[in-house]
Amino acid sequence: GENVEQHPSTLSVQEGDSAVIKCTYSDSASNYFPWYKQELGKGPQLIIDIRSNVGEKKDQRIAVTLNKTAKHFSLHITETQPEDSAVYFCAASSRDRGSTLGRLYFGRGTQLTVWP
Amino acid sequence: DAGVIQSPRHEVTEMGQEVTLRCKPISGHDYLFWYRQTMMRGLELLIYFNNNVPIDDSGMPEDRFSAKMPNASFSTLKIQPSEPRDSAVYFCASRAGGAGYTFGSGTRLTVV
Repeated sequence: GENVEQHPSTLSVQEGDSAVIKCTYSDSASNYFPWYKQELGKGPQLIIDIRSNVGEKKDQRIAVTLNKTAKHFSLHITETQPEDSAVYFCAASSRDRGSTLGRLYFGRGTQLTVWP
Repeated sequence: DAGVIQSPRHEVTEMGQEVTLRCKPISGHDYLFWYRQTMMRGLELLIYFNNNVPIDDSGMPEDRFSAKMPNASFSTLKIQPSEPRDSAVYFCASRAGGAGYTFGSGTRLTVV
C-alpha cells in the first residue's frame, strides 16, 4: 500500500512568520492529497486539498504545492497566528474500486506551535 | 448538517468488558471509516464500508474487534473483550464519492 512520510514532527514559529510542512508518498498512482488540522480534543478537519492535475492551490493564508515527479507535497502557512497552533496531517489517496477516491493514508502529523 | 456524530465521547471500562462505539455518518455519504489514533501509531485505518458493505477490514487488530453497518445512518465498532492496549481515541469519518473525509469528534477509550 501507500506510505506517507511527514516532516517535521514538531515546528515552532513566531507569530507572523511562515510555516512549511513537507510530505512524501510512495505510490505513483495516488492522485488526491488533503491536509487536515486537528485541534486538541477534536477530530481532524480538512483545511485544503489538491488533486494530481494541479501543481499549487491557495486559500487565503494557506497553500499546498505538489510535485508528482518527486512524489512530494507541502503545506505552506503564511502570517501565522496563535490559533494556527494544532497538529497537521497530510494524506494521500488513489483510486479504489472505480471510485474517484480510495482510502486515505495519513502521515504521522506535525505539531505546530505559533508563539505570540 | 450536524456532521459525523460519535458516542460516547469518553468511555472508561475495565479490562475484559465489552465496549461498543457508535457512529452516525453525514446523511448521503456512502463511505464510512473507522480510525484509531495513538501517540505510538498515529492514525490507523481499522475498517471501511461502502454502501454499508465492509470493503477492507485488514486493519482490524484481532478477532476481538468487530464492526457493523446495519444501515446507511449507523455503524458500531465493538471490542470484546477489551484490553488496556486498546486504549486510544477512535474516530469515525464519512465521505461522499469523490469528496474529502469528514471526521467525528472521536471517542476516547480508556481500558483499566
